[in-house]
Amino acid sequence: TQLLEQSPQFLSIQEGENLTVYCNSSSVFSSLQWYRQEPGEGPVLLVTVVTGGEVKKLKRLTFQFGDARKDSSLHITAAQPGDTGLYLCAGPNNAGNMLTFGGGTRLMVKP
Amino acid sequence: EAQVTQNPRYLITVTGKKLTVTCSQNMNHEYMSWYRQDPGLGLRQIYYSMNVEVTDKGDVPEGYKVSRKEKRNFPLILESPSPNQTSLYFCASSLWSGGTEAFFGQGTRLTVV
Repeated sequence: TQLLEQSPQFLSIQEGENLTVYCNSSSVFSSLQWYRQEPGEGPVLLVTVVTGGEVKKLKRLTFQFGDARKDSSLHITAAQPGDTGLYLCAGPNNAGNMLTFGGGTRLMVKP
Repeated sequence: EAQVTQNPRYLITVTGKKLTVTCSQNMNHEYMSWYRQDPGLGLRQIYYSMNVEVTDKGDVPEGYKVSRKEKRNFPLILESPSPNQTSLYFCASSLWSGGTEAFFGQGTRLTVV
């Protein structure tokens, strides 16, 4: 079973601060996805990283896929209250027929 | 608008009373799946379907049934709900496999008393 562990589980910061959340596994993934889930809603895809060492930017969010494709990180620069939510990483199993999710990082950005 | 629609959004029921949560997608996706989300346990896959009439168990299938008679619909059936099935349920669809972008419904909060 391919497991994904996310850290930290909870993060509460002030507006304007930077932060990094992590998604780690002992298994190799062909790709990893990052989702954000807001209260009362389903997760929404932010980005998919595919190549080892890949870096993708989405405005103030920077996503990196580890060289060995076993881990990924999400860095947010100058966090804003609108960034508040649950951040989930997910990766397909080897057969490609199921998606495994990490436990998530719950982020709160205070004004 | 491309979307996955679940109904109902909220449901309180009693132990043993059969219920169905409906899910429909309008994106012509081949792959559909059901997840439950519990505090501290994250999203866990219950069942998935690669295409019409093709369904398979996920990580936590016990106590659930599904069917895929049409491409757009993928209902989740609880034949005899129990309190440990109290959870937040999400239906999702993807273009062609579990590895592609998943589009989620808004969720169904189920309470079994």
